[in-house]
Amino acid sequence: QVQLQESGPGLVKPSQTLSLTCTVSGGSISSGGYYWSWIRQHPGKGLEWIGYIYYSGSTYYNPSLKSRVTISVDTSKNQFSLKLSSVTAADTAVYYCARVMAAAATRWFDPWGQGTLVTVSS
Amino acid sequence: SYVLTQPPSVSVAPGQTARITCGGNNIGSKSVHWYQQKPGQAPVLVVYDDSDRPSGIPERFSGSNSGNTATLTISRVEAGDEADYYCQVWDSSSDWVFGGGTKLTVL
Repeated sequence: QVQLQESGPGLVKPSQTLSLTCTVSGGSISSGGYYWSWIRQHPGKGLEWIGYIYYSGSTYYNPSLKSRVTISVDTSKNQFSLKLSSVTAADTAVYYCARVMAAAATRWFDPWGQGTLVTVSS
Repeated sequence: SYVLTQPPSVSVAPGQTARITCGGNNIGSKSVHWYQQKPGQAPVLVVYDDSDRPSGIPERFSGSNSGNTATLTISRVEAGDEADYYCQVWDSSSDWVFGGGTKLTVL
């Protein structure tokens, strides 16, 4: 079955760029049929969708984060990545990657990676 | 933007039935998905498309959706069901919307 694993620095300084990578195993991103997404969860809070990418490179971002987010894909490594620029303490969160499942007029996330905590602090 | 409202907490004794609600304007016209999140772990999908279960999820987990309320029902609750539960919908105007989460406590 498909598994996802996030990786990247756990500490980022304010105003810098947060960079994370999600490695997919058990399935190929380039086989198509799925979108691949990033979601975050602030400490003790709910879930916030960040954006998604298709293997072709087409992307769609949460409008509230769009100006600072870039998601890219590397099909040769079966990975997709997140960059979030100009971070502040408000970006401290657990970041998850997940596969997007779609049916007629609906979408959901399954499975999810284990998540990685990113702390923004000097 | 579309808003989903969940009760902050639900408590139930072992062996009883837990019902976790998710309220939204005419939510019955949308498909609702439910996730279980245990402390320190990633969310796990337990119900999708209102009432379907992914493989590996016990039949004790079921869902329904009508009018302004969707409900996740957990029958014969076990201690291992203690977790936070989130509902989620998607539409082309709001994208992904999550409820605020409900903490299920098994007494």
